[in-house]
Amino acid sequence: ETGVTQSPTHLIKTRGQQVTLRCSSQSGHNTVSWYQQALGQGPQFIFQYYREEENGRGNFPPRFSGLQFPNYSSELNVNALELDDSALYLCASSLPPSYEQYFGPGTRLTVT
Amino acid sequence: GDSVTQMEGPVTLSEEAFLTINCTYTATGYPSLFWYVQYPGEGLQLLLKATKADDKGSNKGFEATYRKETTSFHLEKGSVQVSDSAVYFCALIAGDNFNKFYFGSGTKLNVKP
Repeated sequence: ETGVTQSPTHLIKTRGQQVTLRCSSQSGHNTVSWYQQALGQGPQFIFQYYREEENGRGNFPPRFSGLQFPNYSSELNVNALELDDSALYLCASSLPPSYEQYFGPGTRLTVT
Repeated sequence: GDSVTQMEGPVTLSEEAFLTINCTYTATGYPSLFWYVQYPGEGLQLLLKATKADDKGSNKGFEATYRKETTSFHLEKGSVQVSDSAVYFCALIAGDNFNKFYFGSGTKLNVKP
């Protein structure tokens, strides 16, 4: 059974740029959620994708967008990067009706 | 809105001490509740869960009971070990289609030998 994988591991971007983060879900899981975790804080829910559509969204602006592909992998796109976007971005997969989140190792994004 | 509040850390205990980490929640409907753990240098992993009122989740000697009357899900362990040192997160899933997740800010536990 393959776990959740994310790429890249680390990323440095400049304010105003755009970034794409990638996630492969655990084998058999059809639902992917994305989280932002600032240093010393808990994960903040960004959105969830199910069957290639956004299924739920947290309190994040529209410049945070995503995609889910037929193989259930997913992308998180962030436009017009701001310094406060610097954080660890976590991807988690699940298989309803179980809502247990299986987390990947995360992508550390630094915006300078 | 929906939210999770957990006690601030760090919590420092001696080995074999009793552990309680408090967690309370605000949610409409009937959320499912979780405790996640993050060991040093590792990713978040599920520790235990409870899906309805009065359910008790348990794993690795940890327990938590879903108390709807007090909107709480406190984590307990009778005798902690050094290997339990980690950051613990309380979380809930809510929303019309169980499509929104909320995590607490985390409680760091240090267990000394």
